[in-house]
Amino acid sequence: NAGVTQTPKFRVLKTGQSMTLLCAQDMNHEYMYWYRQDPGMGLRLIHYSVGEGTTAKGEVPDGYNVSRLKKQNFLLGLESAAPSQTSVYFCASTVGAYTEAFFGQGTRLTVV
Amino acid sequence: AQTVTQSQPEMSVQEAETVTLSCTYDTSESNYYLFWYKQPPSRQMILVIRQEAYKQQNATENRFSVNFQKAAKSFSLKISDSQLGDTAMYFCAFMNPLFSGGGADGLTFGKGTHLIIQP
Repeated sequence: NAGVTQTPKFRVLKTGQSMTLLCAQDMNHEYMYWYRQDPGMGLRLIHYSVGEGTTAKGEVPDGYNVSRLKKQNFLLGLESAAPSQTSVYFCASTVGAYTEAFFGQGTRLTVV
Repeated sequence: AQTVTQSQPEMSVQEAETVTLSCTYDTSESNYYLFWYKQPPSRQMILVIRQEAYKQQNATENRFSVNFQKAAKSFSLKISDSQLGDTAMYFCAFMNPLFSGGGADGLTFGKGTHLIIQP
């Protein structure tokens, strides 16, 4: 099994550009999450989903939107990228609320 | 909101030594899960160990064990017989119960401890 796959792995954007990060999981997990990791900050939750068609805000949702049209996919969108969104983004999924989170390999995004 | 604190930004020990990474957390919940994740230079997040708050017995996984003190809200990770491959960032994480009315934040992470194992 591939587990959790993130696309792309690296990306450079200009300020104001938009993009979508794709997260795909093949484990039939209900819960999916998007985190960002910044130096000295650990991982912070951006948005999450507890099932197909549902999304909710996490700790740092501003400037991001998400969609979960299919159970296996969770998309993270940046409508107008800002330098403050330069970060490493991680997608994760869990089968339930208390179970182990499986992470993707991360996407390094640089906004110039 | 829950918080997780890792007070040691960086630690360095010799190979084969035992090292303990500290973690404290703050919550009003009585039922929750705690995790330690390892992030090597490859950037991949790897689960090291998990502890359920309602279990008094400390979790162990081979060379990794935890000291879970619920009343003190402390969750330290002990690595025995440390190896060069243990060099990584280690994150302590707290899992909130979703839709419990006490907040629904998924995993809350500490800022991490950079562990360096010296040969």
